[in-house]
Amino acid sequence: QKEVEQDPGPLSVPEGAIVSLNCTYSNSAFQYFMWYRQYSRKGPELLMYTYSSGNKEDGRFTAQVDKSSKYISLFIRDSQPSDSATYLCAMRVPGGTSYGKLTFGQGTILTVHP
Amino acid sequence: ETGVTQTPRHLVMGMTNKKSLKCEQHLGHNAMYWYKQSAKKPLELMFVYSLEERVENNSVPSRFSPECPNSSHLFLHLHTLQPEDSALYLCASSQVPAGGTDTQYFGPGTRLTVL
Repeated sequence: QKEVEQDPGPLSVPEGAIVSLNCTYSNSAFQYFMWYRQYSRKGPELLMYTYSSGNKEDGRFTAQVDKSSKYISLFIRDSQPSDSATYLCAMRVPGGTSYGKLTFGQGTILTVHP
Repeated sequence: ETGVTQTPRHLVMGMTNKKSLKCEQHLGHNAMYWYKQSAKKPLELMFVYSLEERVENNSVPSRFSPECPNSSHLFLHLHTLQPEDSALYLCASSQVPAGGTDTQYFGPGTRLTVL
């Protein structure tokens, strides 16, 4: 079983739709959760970072973490064509090492069409 | 220059060639990473240098050889690669020790094609 499972899609939605992206994980030691956005021909860029259960909102983006179910989500409201990208979830355990080792999901390809 | 830069952006090489990928970070970080990104697979961590010391070598074949001469520069030396090594190679940097809000910043990647 993979440590992090993410549906690769592709996901296609009309402009203005609410998008829901999800990841499940098996390692209960994961405490920090991230969403990265990767545009075509670019490297991933950090979109959201959270370390507690519940919701975190940033503009049109909401990150949700449910540690009891080992499930994280990213919601995009009023989606725009510029949101078209691959979305990667990532997570790590706290402390203990000299660097923050991240475990990534496979990424979900999202297309928002006008 | 800002952030993390990588050169070249595209590279085509034969299986007998020797080439090097270069990464430079302008963020004052002290840890650098090499990742491999293949189609339909999660990002694979290859190497980590923390405080200029290699702290992770994730079962990577010896035809990939990393070098970190200082905390701002990272190289990946390539020789006798295989076609299955064709992928996007990403460099990242972060500040360690890894606290609650440490973040890895990625470069744009080098698209490698092995013929």
